[in-house]
Amino acid sequence: DVKVTQSSRYLVKRTGEKVFLECVQDMDHENMFWYRQDPGLGLRLIYFSYDVKMKEKGDIPEGYSVSREKKERFSLILESASTNQTSMYLCASTFEGYNEQFFGPGTRLTVL
Amino acid sequence: KQEVTQIPAALSVPEGENLVLNCSFTDSAIYNLQWFRQDPGKGLTSLLLIQSSQREQTSGRLNASLDKSSGRSTLYIAASQPGDSATYLCAVSPYGQNFVFGPGTRLSVLP
Repeated sequence: DVKVTQSSRYLVKRTGEKVFLECVQDMDHENMFWYRQDPGLGLRLIYFSYDVKMKEKGDIPEGYSVSREKKERFSLILESASTNQTSMYLCASTFEGYNEQFFGPGTRLTVL
Repeated sequence: KQEVTQIPAALSVPEGENLVLNCSFTDSAIYNLQWFRQDPGKGLTSLLLIQSSQREQTSGRLNASLDKSSGRSTLYIAASQPGDSATYLCAVSPYGQNFVFGPGTRLSVLP
């Protein structure tokens, strides 16, 4: 079975802190995605990557950056956390050409 | 731009009922459609994937159909159980675009 793991289930940070969220998949998927999910707004795409060292902006990239140094790992970085970044963050991966998405368990981030 | 809607937004049924969840999309140019389940505070679990050339997929008590021409998909759950209580989301994979998700249907199956 495909497994997508995220570094933390729950995270509490202070405003202004630098935050790293990590996602690892074990099925050699080329494509990886970061979403945030908020009540009433659904899932929104932050960034995605189609290959190592590649990154593309999604619909809401402001305040975030990403890193993909290895194929299996895709990191989301909040350079200076703000309270409006309190959310559930979900990572997903797909195999090129097949497009079935597999999601991680999510990280509930609270910024105080 | 592709848009996905789901009706109803919430549904409450007694245990044992058969039920149908609906997903509509505005542009029929899609690679596939995927149904997910999400439990509170958790990630999304893939239930069924229907490729654009297929009309339906089945897994256990779940059956999903796809009608691209009308921009609709339905998820049929047979003999519902309290453990089926969750939010169900559909997502389409449009040509040349990233995945587009619906807002979800929150299902409660009462014992």
